[in-house]
Amino acid sequence: QVQLQQSGPGLVKPSQTLSLTCAISGDSVSSDSAAWHWIRHSPSRGLEWLGRTFYRSKWYNDYAVSVKGRITINPDTSKNQFSLQLNSVTPEDTAVYYCAREPKTVPGMRSWFDTWGQGTLVTVSS
Amino acid sequence: DIVMTQFPDSLAVSLGERATINCKSSQSVLYSSDNKNFLAWYQQKPGQPPKLLIYWASTRESGVPDRFSGSGSGTDFTLTISSLQPEDVAVYYCQQYYTPPAFGQGTRLEIK
Repeated sequence: QVQLQQSGPGLVKPSQTLSLTCAISGDSVSSDSAAWHWIRHSPSRGLEWLGRTFYRSKWYNDYAVSVKGRITINPDTSKNQFSLQLNSVTPEDTAVYYCAREPKTVPGMRSWFDTWGQGTLVTVSS
Repeated sequence: DIVMTQFPDSLAVSLGERATINCKSSQSVLYSSDNKNFLAWYQQKPGQPPKLLIYWASTRESGVPDRFSGSGSGTDFTLTISSLQPEDVAVYYCQQYYTPPAFGQGTRLEIK
């Protein structure tokens, strides 16, 4: 059974960097049959996909247009986890952040999110 | 980008009665070459992450009770709970995965 365990600070100051980590058990961040995502949930923006990382002979990333230029998602194969960094945060980045797994059932095609982390409320405030 | 719109925003149904939640996408999420709709449904209870219920618009995830069913194709989809149980009180979301993922705004389901 796949489980995702999130960690990271719940309070970040404006203009600083939000950093979260998602530790994977029961699967591998290097799996060629999964992709690893970050999603956030706020009252103003609802559930918003942020980006993903995945391995298919090499590492790939893609990011939502809304946060492109501020976001980095990195795998850490030594710890079997992946991370989110969001730079230059503002109060609008206040949200519950989730990591999630996308199982790759059809090569080259997207699929759903079958496993989620527990969520981390991140508040951007001075 | 594909925009997902759910209706109604909230719904109150009596125990044992049918609940129907609708979801509309701004573009078709049907992949015509294999006739699959790239649409999922999730249930979210307070303080918990979303839980996958349905994928490919109508395939129930393992362990999901058979009172939950999904239907629709192209741009119009429906989640039906055939006989509402107390544990079904939650917010329900649709999500397309045809393009970069996008979620509906959610439908809050309560007991009448």
